[in-house]
Amino acid sequence: ETGVTQSPTHLIKTRGQQVTLRCSSQSGHNTVSWYQQALGQGPQFIFQYYREEENGRGNFPPRFSGLQFPNYSSELNVNALELDDSALYLCASSLDRGQTYEQYFGPGTRLTVT
Amino acid sequence: KQEVTQIPAALSVPEGENLVLNCSFTDSAIYNLQWFRQDPGKGLTSLLLIQSSQREQTSGRLNASLDKSSGRSTLYIAASQPGDSATYLCAVGGANAGGTSYGKLTFGQGTILTVHP
Repeated sequence: ETGVTQSPTHLIKTRGQQVTLRCSSQSGHNTVSWYQQALGQGPQFIFQYYREEENGRGNFPPRFSGLQFPNYSSELNVNALELDDSALYLCASSLDRGQTYEQYFGPGTRLTVT
Repeated sequence: KQEVTQIPAALSVPEGENLVLNCSFTDSAIYNLQWFRQDPGKGLTSLLLIQSSQREQTSGRLNASLDKSSGRSTLYIAASQPGDSATYLCAVGGANAGGTSYGKLTFGQGTILTVHP
């Protein structure tokens, strides 16, 4: 167990809807990263938050947004859902934002868009 | 742009065999490399983390090596067991964008390992 939790476990949404996924980091970790993993693929980096500010972003459109709160929780919001957004969404927390810090992953949220 | 490739895509072995999983990356300017295990429909379990200054790490029956100059890492699993059956993912860490460093992981597509009794 990494101490990183995510909710909900599974979610089904309709194309065009909006969704919020939640993550609770390990206590003391000020950095959280989000990844999208399509079926049969490796995870793809969405963005990272450090001390409640976006600290880096992958190749994802602006309809993917996030929030990080002082209590070690964070959210991933996706607007105008598309069928291709169906995937496993993983969050990972780390002690700090530097490159050498190990990232600890949560169990993921499986999103299905119909 | 960093690209990570894992070979083979799938591997099936009898219990007790020693095996090697391969990972290669295109940009040798990495900060670390991490091996993960993923069971079907589940999250990622970290197996080994190798910092860029290290050559290898060991944990129980697992040994991972890193050769930055050639852009390669291997994960060696000794005396494989059916419980080792899972997808194994390699990820390289670190990225710089506009002078701000952040710990982005770039993953390979994984090797699906099946160990049969």
